[in-house]
Amino acid sequence: DSGVTQTPKHLITATGQRVTLRCSPRSGDLSVYWYQQSLDQGLQFLIQYYNGEERAKGNILERFSAQQFPDLHSELNLSSLELGDSALYFCASSLRLNTEAFFGQGTRLTVV
Amino acid sequence: AQKITQTQPGMFVQEKEAVTLDCTYDTSDQSYGLFWYKQPSSGEMIFLIYQGSYDEQNATEGRYSLNFQKARKSANLVISASQLGDSAMYFCAMREVRIQGAQKLVFGQGTRLTINP
Repeated sequence: DSGVTQTPKHLITATGQRVTLRCSPRSGDLSVYWYQQSLDQGLQFLIQYYNGEERAKGNILERFSAQQFPDLHSELNLSSLELGDSALYFCASSLRLNTEAFFGQGTRLTVV
Repeated sequence: AQKITQTQPGMFVQEKEAVTLDCTYDTSDQSYGLFWYKQPSSGEMIFLIYQGSYDEQNATEGRYSLNFQKARKSANLVISASQLGDSAMYFCAMREVRIQGAQKLVFGQGTRLTINP
């Protein structure tokens, strides 16, 4: 158990809908990262937050947004969902900006 | 841009044998970090081992060691005395550091390791 908690574990929704994925980092970790894993794109970095502030953005679509709250948990919002958004979404956290990241178990999103 | 290459899509190894998973990287940065993660069929990503670019010794963690050859830009994972539970997907990753300390991990495509009894 990495100590990073992601909910829900599985999510099935219809095209055009909006979902929210939640992540609780390891106790004491200030940095949160979101990654998307799909069969065709592999593991892709989406976005990073550090102590509530956005620090880095990767290949995140405009339909997607994220935030980190004062208690350091983070949410990833996915809207106007398309079939191609079906993937495993990982949250990871690290103590500081230059330490190893520990991943949660992922949320498997299926868009039908 | 940084790039990670894992040239072995799949590997089959007999139980108790040692196995080496290849990883080469491309970067123009002087300071970087290299990671290996394991992803079993259940899906979670498990951190295995880390090597910093300035570390003089190869990293080791239990049965895992990282064969770091900086001049060749390779960071191969060595698993000694393989076990059935080692069957999984293995990802090599590099930390890309950006301005203001922002960082992301760039992942390779992975190697699927199967341990045969």
